[in-house]
Amino acid sequence: DAKTTQPPSMDCAEGRAANLPCNHSTISGNEYVYWYRQIHSQGPQYIIHGLKNNETNEMASLIITEDRKSSTLILPHATLRDTAVYYCIVKGNTGKLIFGQGTTLQVKP
Amino acid sequence: DAGVTQSPTHLIKTRGQQVTLRCSPKSGHDTVSWYQQALGQGPQFIFQYYEEEERQRGNFPDRFSGHQFPNYSSELNVNALLLGDSALYLCASASSDRGRHEQYFGPGTRLTVT
Repeated sequence: DAKTTQPPSMDCAEGRAANLPCNHSTISGNEYVYWYRQIHSQGPQYIIHGLKNNETNEMASLIITEDRKSSTLILPHATLRDTAVYYCIVKGNTGKLIFGQGTTLQVKP
Repeated sequence: DAGVTQSPTHLIKTRGQQVTLRCSPKSGHDTVSWYQQALGQGPQFIFQYYEEEERQRGNFPDRFSGHQFPNYSSELNVNALLLGDSALYLCASASSDRGRHEQYFGPGTRLTVT
């Protein structure tokens, strides 16, 4: 499974969009991009995933570049409850998720 | 619909002891994975069970073993506990349906080894 690179931390004002970047330059053609988040002391929560098309659900949008070497998770209207560690994971057909250090997003009032 | 449940929530053990952690997957899920999360780190994959067999294993010693039951629930066993085994142990369940990708995590069991 390809490795990902994320900034260690980001701040966002409450009510504004939070844009979390992720680089995955070694991604293979059959590997998906997944985003999970972990609020303090809780289990990780699935947010969204995609292969090559942009995806949107009730929680977030995922924008994947055309060459698939990077992606951006967008939380359209961040709230204080979105403060968490966000993990970008690239996964193929194996069942395991390989977590890096993630990005700690701090949403500020 | 209950999500993934784990028991116990907290546990304190002494070095050298053995521990068993339990996980019930989300309804409709047949695959269970276990992860270890040390303080300040991301979760690390221990192993995955499907059809009562260990299907994948991460870089963990044989002291870590598991089991999956016919009802898809699972246990994680750790023998000869070390201080370094202190961590949050997470269980995640998923469906083997090829169209379903997401894994759902339980709240975890906080293990402290003294």
